[in-house]
Amino acid sequence: AQTVTQSQPEMSVQEAETVTLSCTYDTSESDYYLFWYKQPPSRQMILVIRQEAYKQQNATENRFSVNFQKAAKSFSLKISDSQLGDAAMYFCAYRWGQGGSEKLVFGKGTKLTVNP
Amino acid sequence: EPEVTQTPSHQVTQMGQEVILRCVPISNHLYFYWYRQILGQKVEFLVSFYNNEISEKSEIFDDQFSVERPDGSNFTLKIRSTKLEDSAMYFCASSEALLISNQPQHFGDGTRLSIL
Repeated sequence: AQTVTQSQPEMSVQEAETVTLSCTYDTSESDYYLFWYKQPPSRQMILVIRQEAYKQQNATENRFSVNFQKAAKSFSLKISDSQLGDAAMYFCAYRWGQGGSEKLVFGKGTKLTVNP
Repeated sequence: EPEVTQTPSHQVTQMGQEVILRCVPISNHLYFYWYRQILGQKVEFLVSFYNNEISEKSEIFDDQFSVERPDGSNFTLKIRSTKLEDSAMYFCASSEALLISNQPQHFGDGTRLSIL
């Protein structure tokens, strides 16, 4: 079964600094998608960034970027120039590729604190 | 930006009672999902729904659970006879048609279900 592991239950970063959240996953599939979702306190989960497994280039969305290492099954999220509004739970998620299951498989999440 | 909305935000129910959780997906979305998160645990997939029928369900989604799209805008999750272990945050999500499989799922704020 596919699993997603986030080994850091909590992380903290100083405002304006860079932080990296780790995620590893286990799958025998070659076609899949990876996502990072952000959940601020008492708010909905919002998609931060996504990566297609067939793409070698790492996805980037403004201050958010990923380091996708397919062979190592690693998908870390880097947040540059951290802002107070980045404080949230961050969930890494996996989904099968075309024609496969639609469900997302989530990690347990990493709580990010941003210190002023 | 369109959002998935869920009501109520918090539901308190006596064990053994029926509960209905409501969701209004994004209007042009065709795929609908329910997930749950027991406190301190991972977000877990419950069920996906497309074209007025269940397309996939997890082992959690037993006979006590049902889903319905009663009127073309709402998407409901019913638990017939609630148990203490049903206490969790329940998230509704929706996505566009999966012609391109990396279409993200958009999540609501969640309903916190407390069984007494």
